[in-house]
Amino acid sequence: AQTVTQSQPEMSVQEAETVTLSCTYDTSENNYYLFWYKQPPSRQMILVIRQEAYKQQNATENRFSVNFQKAAKSFSLKISDSQLGDTAMYFCAFHGPNNNDMRFGAGTRLTVKP
Amino acid sequence: KAGVTQTPRYLIKTRGQQVTLSCSPISGHRSVSWYQQTPGQGLQFLFEYFSETQRNKGNFPGRFSGRQFSNSRSEMNVSTLELGDSALYLCASSPGLVQPDTQYFGPGTRLTVL
Repeated sequence: AQTVTQSQPEMSVQEAETVTLSCTYDTSENNYYLFWYKQPPSRQMILVIRQEAYKQQNATENRFSVNFQKAAKSFSLKISDSQLGDTAMYFCAFHGPNNNDMRFGAGTRLTVKP
Repeated sequence: KAGVTQTPRYLIKTRGQQVTLSCSPISGHRSVSWYQQTPGQGLQFLFEYFSETQRNKGNFPGRFSGRQFSNSRSEMNVSTLELGDSALYLCASSPGLVQPDTQYFGPGTRLTVL
């Protein structure tokens, strides 16, 4: 079974600085997607970034980028120029080719301090 | 396109009652998945519907059931409510035609069981 591990329950960063959130996963599949979702205190789960496993190039979305290490099964999220609005729970998630459900990590609570 | 919508946003029920939650997916999306989110267990997959058929099911008791209508709207029903059913229930939609896929989440329904 696929498992997703986020080893940092909580993190904090000063506004305008850079922070990296860690995620590791376990799978025997070769074709899968990895995601980072953000859940602010308002609760709506928002897609931050997606990485297709077959792509070697790391995905980027504005201030958000990932470091995808397929062999190491590692998928970290880097947030540059952190903003107060980045304060949220961040969930790493895995979606494989044969399962119709997504597996989530336990989440990392990120606080951006002014 | 309008996002995923869920109704109601909040519910308070007592033990033994039953409840029905509703989810309207993004237009054109045929897959709807349901998740239960609790502080202790995190995000857990309940089930997924695609073209009115349950395609995948998580490890929840039979008190949790769902259905999907021809317009892809989905309902989830919980019968004989227990205190432990208090949670945020999230639904997510995706096109559903290929796996893996990207899911987009609704705002959730907060269920409190007294």
